Amino acid sequence: AQSVTQPDIHITVSEGASLELRCNYSYGATPYLFWYVQSPGQGLQLLLKYFSGDTLVQGIKGFEAEFKRSQSSFNLRKPSVHWSDAAEYFCAVGAPSGGFKTIFGAGTRLFVKA
Amino acid sequence: SQTIHQWPATLVQPVGSPLSLECTVEGTSNPNLYWYRQAAGRGLQLLFYSVGIGQISSEVPQNLSASRPQDRQFILSSKKLLLSDSGFYLCAWSLGTVEKLFFGSGTQLSVL
Repeated sequence: AQSVTQPDIHITVSEGASLELRCNYSYGATPYLFWYVQSPGQGLQLLLKYFSGDTLVQGIKGFEAEFKRSQSSFNLRKPSVHWSDAAEYFCAVGAPSGGFKTIFGAGTRLFVKA
Repeated sequence: SQTIHQWPATLVQPVGSPLSLECTVEGTSNPNLYWYRQAAGRGLQLLFYSVGIGQISSEVPQNLSASRPQDRQFILSSKKLLLSDSGFYLCAWSLGTVEKLFFGSGTQLSVL
């Protein structure tokens, strides 16, 4: 069964600083990896996804993530954080088993200070 | 375009009362449907998923059940709510076996 670990419960960065959110996964085959963002009291929105090919994927809102098979990681990055990026970020891994079950990490809450 | 409707947005229920949360998807056919729960300070826990009418897979043994009476309708139920059922419930859909999830806006359930 697949699993996802997000080791940082919350992170605080200054506006304009770079950001990296960590994600480690466990899955026996080639994973399908996702990053979602959730604003308070709302559903989740997809930032980016990795299925195959180039291990550096670009997403919306200036985010990117790099798949590293050797480290079982899929870290999310942004070169310059904006105050509007404050939200909760979820890493997820999908498995195409009977309808594509997606398992989420516990999430990382991002705080942005002025 | 596809849309997902989830209601109610907020619900306060006493312990021992029944529950029915409804989710409907428009603009697509034969979607995969999911119920997730998000407890305070925790991630999303997959509760149920369905790949077709009447086909329900349960991920976690619990006090809840799910049904899919129509292709684009997914219902989360309980006969008697527990305090531990409190949380933020999210419905989601996807197509095929390798696709992103589209989420509803969620239901905040408080069991008192």
